[in-house]
Amino acid sequence: QVQLKESGPGLVQPSQTLSLTCTVSGFSLTSYNVHWVRQPPGKGLEWMGRMRYNGDTSYNSALKSRLSISRDTSKNQVFLKMNSLQTDDTGTYYCTRDRYTTDYYWGQGVMVTVSS
Amino acid sequence: DTVLTQSPALAVSPGERVTISCRASESVSTLMHWYQQKPGQQPTLLIYLASNLESGVPARFSGSGSGTDFTLTIDPVEADDTATYYCQQSWNDPLTFGSGTKLEIK
Repeated sequence: QVQLKESGPGLVQPSQTLSLTCTVSGFSLTSYNVHWVRQPPGKGLEWMGRMRYNGDTSYNSALKSRLSISRDTSKNQVFLKMNSLQTDDTGTYYCTRDRYTTDYYWGQGVMVTVSS
Repeated sequence: DTVLTQSPALAVSPGERVTISCRASESVSTLMHWYQQKPGQQPTLLIYLASNLESGVPARFSGSGSGTDFTLTIDPVEADDTATYYCQQSWNDPLTFGSGTKLEIK
């Protein structure tokens, strides 16, 4: 079945770079899009960006200058890198797979705290 | 980016009918989706492509709309429907979420 699992550091220092990995199973990265969505504590959902099945990417305009999404199809992994982290980047980060063009399958999420 | 505007909060009594609106800053055709998120839980998909009920979601939930104006209806509302409801559009790139409507059941 379709599964996604996020991994990465739970704590990142301000101004540093966040690196997260989404490991998927049950589908091919060359057939489906994988997205990243985040949610600060007590706040709403924010769609961050997408790795398309063909390798193209698209990003939330507010994050575009700091965000990069890449993949390794041989390892079934999608990567998120975001630099210049600040405290308001604290939150739960999810990777998702689309169906019907929306975020249909969700990983369990990983909590990231930005703090010194 | 396409901005989706939702009312911040609503309060209704059990058994009533509630409509939650989502207005897009530009047309999104029918590529609008609705999520429910209960405290401490992940979002769950209720409605996809404006009006399609996700498998396993009670028929009390329905969606409608096209272009820029969309509605999620719950009829009748139950106590368990206390949650925040988000709309999301996938017609324009990048995808965007609304800011959410917090539904309180009196």
